[in-house]
Amino acid sequence: EDKVVQSPLSLVVHEGDTVTLNCSYEVTNFRSLLWYKQEKKAPTFLFMLTSSGIEKKSGRLSSILDKKELFSILNITATQTGDSAVYLCAVEAGGGSNYKLTFGKGTLLTVNP
Amino acid sequence: SAVISQKPSRDICQRGTSLTIQCQVDSQVTMMFWYRQQPGQSLTLIATANQGSEATYESGFVIDKFPISRPNLTFSTLTVSNMSPEDSSIYLCSTGLGGYTFGSGTRLTVV
Repeated sequence: EDKVVQSPLSLVVHEGDTVTLNCSYEVTNFRSLLWYKQEKKAPTFLFMLTSSGIEKKSGRLSSILDKKELFSILNITATQTGDSAVYLCAVEAGGGSNYKLTFGKGTLLTVNP
Repeated sequence: SAVISQKPSRDICQRGTSLTIQCQVDSQVTMMFWYRQQPGQSLTLIATANQGSEATYESGFVIDKFPISRPNLTFSTLTVSNMSPEDSSIYLCSTGLGGYTFGSGTRLTVV
């Protein structure tokens, strides 16, 4: 059974801090790893990672994948209160035409002013 | 990336009744996915819906409880049947386009 584990489950920081969120996985036939931000109902896509060692960046957010050690990190620098959300890691795996996402439990990030 | 319109946004339903959730995609997609997110939990895949074939259900989910229709490449519905309070969740549809885009979600409360 495919498995995705995120840590920490929750985190409280002050504005301006830098945070690192972790995601490890055990899946069969890995294709990609995705990060999402969930504030209300719908997850918002952040990054898709397929290759090891290549950092993806978007503003203050960045992410990298290590396919040898089977993990990814999501970094947020200079955090703002608007970064408060649940951050979800999902791994796409499967085979043929049957790829699907397995989600971790998420990290609840709270950024205090 | 695809844009998905999902409705209703929320509903409060009586136990024993059924609710149908609709998702409309602005482009043609081969596969659509339906997820459930119970309170405080992560997303769990209910089923994968391909146009023109029966949906494929994940372990723990059955067609009688969650029938799915996929009449064309831009539309799908999920029905939550014979509801109980345990069905209170957020239900989300998704496509595989553009990093698995999600609909806006349906917050269902069963009383």
